[in-house]
Amino acid sequence: DTGVSQNPRHKITKRGQNVTFRCDPISEHNRLYWYRQTLGQGPEFLTYFQNEAQLEKSRLLSDRFSAERPKGSFSTLEIQRTEQGDSAMYLCASSPGRGSEKLFFGSGTQLSVL
Amino acid sequence: AQRVTQPEKLLSVFKGAPVELKCNYSYSGSPELFWYVQYSRQRLQLLLRHISRESIKGFTADLNKGETSFHLKKPFAQEEDSAMYYCALIVYNTDKLIFGTGTRLQVFP
Repeated sequence: DTGVSQNPRHKITKRGQNVTFRCDPISEHNRLYWYRQTLGQGPEFLTYFQNEAQLEKSRLLSDRFSAERPKGSFSTLEIQRTEQGDSAMYLCASSPGRGSEKLFFGSGTQLSVL
Repeated sequence: AQRVTQPEKLLSVFKGAPVELKCNYSYSGSPELFWYVQYSRQRLQLLLRHISRESIKGFTADLNKGETSFHLKKPFAQEEDSAMYYCALIVYNTDKLIFGTGTRLQVFP
């Protein structure tokens, strides 16, 4: 499968624990996006990278959230001191260049915080 | 503020009936709008965008700036059209998409 890959598919954690998700974009896609989706809502933008540079962060991304994309390839999204409100589907997407309308989405990581 | 509104959470039709999924937007400037679709157990994927003025899988969408709408239409629904549909706009110069809350289309045989 040469699409966007996200791991793990599911994560169950206790409140207060840290979690990290990984996204592997389509090879040579230089833009990578993170979105969050809760039940009954559309995906909400969190942040995006152009190669290794993080170009924008949403106000939704509190300082408990951090995203990295070392070397401009895969990306990680870490949530520290998780809260029940963090429970959601975390989606990663990549695009080949300018114009995010050609977003290719991964299957997502479903986070449940107990 | 930029916003996309999809007023219907669920739309149910019978096979062969016309379909119209509503989308309204709020955006200062010239918008670029898209429809994304998510079939059961599949990833979210681009269906069509208004710039292309294309028909994909029999679906079309026309941007109406006067009514700030971008409704998705298909004259004859098929069972395989059953899916979750999201309308989205791209914020100029930021490359981020703003999605609506989605409409679930159910097509009954």
